[in-house]
Amino acid sequence: NAGVTQTPKFQVLKTGQSMTLQCAQDMNHNSMYWYRQDPGMGLRLIYYSASEGTTDKGEVPNGYNVSRLNKREFSLRLESAAPSQTSVYFCASTDGSSGANVLTFGAGSRLTVL
Amino acid sequence: DAKTTQPTSMDCAEGRAANLPCNHSTISGNEYVYWYRQIHSQGPQYIIHGLKNNETNEMASLIITEDRKSSTLILPHATLRDTAVYYCIVRVFQGAQKLVFGQGTRLTINP
Repeated sequence: NAGVTQTPKFQVLKTGQSMTLQCAQDMNHNSMYWYRQDPGMGLRLIYYSASEGTTDKGEVPNGYNVSRLNKREFSLRLESAAPSQTSVYFCASTDGSSGANVLTFGAGSRLTVL
Repeated sequence: DAKTTQPTSMDCAEGRAANLPCNHSTISGNEYVYWYRQIHSQGPQYIIHGLKNNETNEMASLIITEDRKSSTLILPHATLRDTAVYYCIVRVFQGAQKLVFGQGTRLTINP
């Protein structure tokens, strides 16, 4: 039972390069989230997906795109990376329809943009 | 979601109770109080949640004031491993919504 799996764990990009962060959950959760965390800061919501087929902007969506590929997977894409996007990215999921509605987080993806 | 206000940092001696406050004066009637913590650079971890009654589990206790405008997370016997950033958020119990985390409280447990 892996929970929330993020890949890659570490990535170094040059300014202008593109990449996709992958997130997959095996808990049959309906809702998925992408957060970023800069050094010494709290979590900031980039995008979220309330259910399969829907996505919505969070607090800091500029420079990112997302795809809810299916119920399990929610990817985050940087089309043209900038140094300001150097951060740790966390994916999370929750079952919004029942239970305690607790967020389960992945281990994080550390991205450096040079 | 209602906004929350937490102290930036707190210290506590090992073995003592750590009491972390959270203000959520604009909380709605259907919103619960959730606490998470983040140890070092790991993903945040769920601790406890509650609506209006006090709650206790194996990790912590949650005390919510009668008017629900504030709450306190209590770690009864803090250990060095409890050093972390603690986040208080409020949200409805069911349904998906935008979840915004504040800055949290950086709790340091001192030996």
